[in-house]
Amino acid sequence: ILNVEQSPQSLHVQEGDSTNFTCSFPSSNFYALHWYRWETAKSPEALFVMTLNGDEKKKGRISATLNTKEGYSYLYIKGSQPEDSATYLCALGSQGNLIFGKGTKLSVKP
Amino acid sequence: KAGVTQTPRYLIKTRGQQVTLSCSPISGHRSVSWYQQTPGQGLQFLFEYFSETQRNKGNFPGRFSGRQFSNSRSEMNVSTLELGDSALYLCASSLAPGLAGGRTDTQYFGPGTRLTVL
Repeated sequence: ILNVEQSPQSLHVQEGDSTNFTCSFPSSNFYALHWYRWETAKSPEALFVMTLNGDEKKKGRISATLNTKEGYSYLYIKGSQPEDSATYLCALGSQGNLIFGKGTKLSVKP
Repeated sequence: KAGVTQTPRYLIKTRGQQVTLSCSPISGHRSVSWYQQTPGQGLQFLFEYFSETQRNKGNFPGRFSGRQFSNSRSEMNVSTLELGDSALYLCASSLAPGLAGGRTDTQYFGPGTRLTVL
């Protein structure tokens, strides 16, 4: 059974702080790693899909890196804003569906 | 372009009843996947439909079933509801089906249906 782990479970930062979280996954038979942002009472929003070792993707103040050989991905948020408060999910694209981690809940205090 | 819509948004049922949830994908998307989220758990894959055929199935009992119509709209059904079926049910659509090897396309999620079983 494939397992996707995310750490930390939750994070509280001040507005303006930069932060990062980790997604760990089995490195064998890798196909894709997905990142989503999920705000309360909204739909999960796709951030990135990464497929190649060493991939780096950026969207505004959010960026992500991928290391498929060691089985991890980092998500970085530069200069956190209160509107960044959400749960960030990573998911392994495997066997035709997504296998999700339990997420990192980020709270940004003004 | 309209996003993925799910109806109803909230539902309360009692044990033993059955329930049907509906999902309308983004226009042009033909793949619809269903996921369940229970407290403390990540999103768990239920099944995927493409061109009215179930392509992939997660590890859920046979009480959970689904179907897809020719317009790509999908329904999932849960029969003989149990307390543990209380969860948020999300559907996601994409252009293409998941490959047997891995899912590399972006899936777009709806807001979910919150099911409470009493």
